[in-house]
Amino acid sequence: GNSVTQMEGPVTLSEEAFLTINCTYTATGYPSLFWYVQYPGEGLQLLLKATKADDKGSNKGFEATYRKETTSFHLEKGSVQVSDSAVYFCAPSGYNKLIFGAGTRLAVHP
Amino acid sequence: GAVVSQHPSRVICKSGTSVKIECRSLDFQATTMFWYRQFPKQSLMLMATSNEGSKATYEQGVEKDKFLINHASLTLSTLTVTSAHPEDSSFYICSASRDRTAQPQHFGDGTRLSIL
Repeated sequence: GNSVTQMEGPVTLSEEAFLTINCTYTATGYPSLFWYVQYPGEGLQLLLKATKADDKGSNKGFEATYRKETTSFHLEKGSVQVSDSAVYFCAPSGYNKLIFGAGTRLAVHP
Repeated sequence: GAVVSQHPSRVICKSGTSVKIECRSLDFQATTMFWYRQFPKQSLMLMATSNEGSKATYEQGVEKDKFLINHASLTLSTLTVTSAHPEDSSFYICSASRDRTAQPQHFGDGTRLSIL
């Protein structure tokens, strides 16, 4: 079945640092790929998505590119802010469901 | 658009009580709704998938009689935790999708359930 491996956290960065959170997946077929963000005490919000190979999803300065050859969907941001502190989930789709990674906690300090 | 409202946000009750959690799609019709459970600092565990007008499909290991799911309309699904016990304490999150492909899912803000 489909599965996802996500970079372990926590990731601690200073404001304006570069962020990468790695995500690789195994899937049958060609899943759509999603990144969700969860702020403390809240549900999940869709951050960005990509539906086919080489697509780049982007939102709020975050980007991720659908890499079919490496089955990866790494999340990047050039300059993080304190307000980006949250838990980030990588989620490929499969069988009409989302398969969530373990989540990566990001803490950004001033 | 695509707002999902979950209620209540927090509930504390005694062991043995049944608790109902509502999930509403406010500005779209949700053909499919999902119920997840999240333990502290862990990922989301899918409990069940419900399609409007039909019985929910439960994931392996989830007790159907314990977690009753109803999806009677295109804008409302409910999860009832029957005869709740302390081990049922958790963060429950619903999501909704316009169609059965479940892409994308729109999430509610979750319900923190604490059983004393």
